[in-house]
Amino acid sequence: GAVVSQHPSRVICKSGTSVKIECRSLDFQATTMFWYRQFPKKSLMLMATSNEGSKATYEQGVEKDKFLINHASLTLSTLTVTSAHPEDSSFYICSATGQSHKETQYFGPGTRLLVL
Amino acid sequence: SQQGEEDPQALSIQEGENATMNCSYKTSINNLQWYRQNSGRGLVHLILIRSNEREKHSGRLRVTLDTSKKSSSLLITASRAADTASYFCATETSGSRLTFGEGTQLTVNP
Repeated sequence: GAVVSQHPSRVICKSGTSVKIECRSLDFQATTMFWYRQFPKKSLMLMATSNEGSKATYEQGVEKDKFLINHASLTLSTLTVTSAHPEDSSFYICSATGQSHKETQYFGPGTRLLVL
Repeated sequence: SQQGEEDPQALSIQEGENATMNCSYKTSINNLQWYRQNSGRGLVHLILIRSNEREKHSGRLRVTLDTSKKSSSLLITASRAADTASYFCATETSGSRLTFGEGTQLTVNP
């Protein structure tokens, strides 16, 4: 139980385009989802926290107009990287917690984004 | 900001040996969690220890927590080559929000 999927697993795009990453909880209702960014051989940096049906809370230094987060249902959150630039290239990971999984975050497999 | 610091940054051992990783943090916490990440993959939750607990076991894993020193350790006993991965500690302060340490890259040589 407590499986989280992400799609796509990797994406290559041109500068200036927008990329949408989906995060789904497959077997539980995710009341809260988190989006992280990870650079090679580095730790995870929390970008934002999203609760179903409400606006995401962004961490300091994360541009909300650049990284659009939508948590429209209890099983789906999306992260859209708008007008992507090469410096946005990174590994993006989502996680989810639910009513019966409040303390533990279950992580998706991550999405590798490369912006050319 | 990342409040967790882990040491060592990298650890290389032989199969069968024990591996110990340490994590220190700065603020009061609700719980501390350890995660494992294989290269290029998502994180796998290993164990959670609450602030009022001092030690916890799960299979070959043993976690300790010393809130007076704001530190935790993860011990993997009888290591296997398949244990090779990065290990992260993460502290939860409020609202399920986790702050991750920098991680320890463990290499277990067969």
